[in-house]
Amino acid sequence: DARVTQTPRHKVTEMGQEVTMRCQPILGHNTVFWYRQTMMQGLELLAYFRNRAPLDDSGMPKDRFSAEMPDATLATLKIQPSEPRDSAVYFCASAPGTSGTYQETQYFGPGTRLLVL
Amino acid sequence: DAKTTQPNSMESNEEEPVHLPCNHSTISGTDYIHWYRQLPSQGPEYVIHGLTSNVNNRMASLAIAEDRKSSTLILHRATLRDAAVYYCILRDVANFGNEKLTFGTGTRLTIIP
Repeated sequence: DARVTQTPRHKVTEMGQEVTMRCQPILGHNTVFWYRQTMMQGLELLAYFRNRAPLDDSGMPKDRFSAEMPDATLATLKIQPSEPRDSAVYFCASAPGTSGTYQETQYFGPGTRLLVL
Repeated sequence: DAKTTQPNSMESNEEEPVHLPCNHSTISGTDYIHWYRQLPSQGPEYVIHGLTSNVNNRMASLAIAEDRKSSTLILHRATLRDAAVYYCILRDVANFGNEKLTFGTGTRLTIIP
């Protein structure tokens, strides 16, 4: 049963520290999404990639957040420096990225629950 | 983007059918109707989607109004495991390159044993 995996599942850190969250998309999927969920804002897209190239990162605070795909099996989301308002659950999702299909199902990972003190 | 409206919460008894409504009065002709759900402490998962005709799969059925301004997700026999937040999402097939899912507040479904 192919699944998206995310590490760590939980992270507690202090304000100002760097946080790195990792995601392993489903093997063969070439589109990867990062979402953030908070009580106030709900689920919102931060960024997404196809074939490791960023397509849209307009939802991401540029000054402190960065998202990359070092290779096809790993996506990372970094926050530096972290702030209390970054406390949220961060979800990674992947999709097959079949050419010509814009209605593809997205498969979500279990999320990384981040608490910045 | 066209917007959806859902009740904040609903309750249903276990083993009974559940009808979750969604209004989307400004839907365009190229908008597909998608449903995802989020179980407690998990990421969202796909449930079903459709364009004009009613759709069935192993998880649920989707009934789409003739004018497409509303739809209903039907769980035929709710179990405790169906307790989740259900999101109705419109995806514009003509909006090439905009593949993100735009989540609203969803409907929190509580199943009563």
